[in-house]
Amino acid sequence: EAGVVQSPRYKIIEKKQPVAFWCNPISGHNTLYWYLQNLGQGPELLIRYENEEAVDDSQLPKDRFSAERLKGVDSTLKIQPAELGDSAVYLCASSTRTGEDTDTQYFGPGTRLTVL
Amino acid sequence: AQTVTQSQPEMSVQEAETVTLSCTYDTSESDYYLFWYKQPPSRQMILVIRQEAYKQQNATENRFSVNFQKAAKSFSLKISDSQLGDAAMYFCAHSTNFGNEKLTFGTGTRLTIIP
Repeated sequence: EAGVVQSPRYKIIEKKQPVAFWCNPISGHNTLYWYLQNLGQGPELLIRYENEEAVDDSQLPKDRFSAERLKGVDSTLKIQPAELGDSAVYLCASSTRTGEDTDTQYFGPGTRLTVL
Repeated sequence: AQTVTQSQPEMSVQEAETVTLSCTYDTSESDYYLFWYKQPPSRQMILVIRQEAYKQQNATENRFSVNFQKAAKSFSLKISDSQLGDAAMYFCAHSTNFGNEKLTFGTGTRLTIIP
């Protein structure tokens, strides 16, 4: 079974430029998460989707960050405009509420963003 | 609010030996999940082991086992017969009994395996 897929793996942009990250969750996983991981720290939730509905976006900086999950499968996270402090790793995860793996979050390989 | 504390920024162990990584947490919930994740330099966050708080029996996965002390809010990870491939950052994480809510992570412990 394929895991969570993310692209790109690396992205280098100049400040004030836009950037977008893409995530494809594990097949059948209804819940999708975007986390931000700063260097030397654990990940922190940005937004959580149940199918196509954003059910927790309280930590998403809405002035510059946006996300969507059309059709309840793939998701895109966008930053516009990017700032120097946005340099970090952006992780996508997914989970299901059925079966033995109920509520276990599986992560993708992440996207390392560098803002110059 | 939930908090997770990992007091050991770095640990090292000789290959084939046993090492224990510490984690404490704080929550007002009575039912919840606890996890250990491994993050090698590739950055992929890999699930190591999971524990449901209502289960008194400690979870085990091959060479990995936990010591779950609910009253003390302690959740340590024991790695037996350490292998070079175990070298990574290890994160302890907590989620509520509505487990599809967010994970709260600790700051991680960097484990080095000495050949």
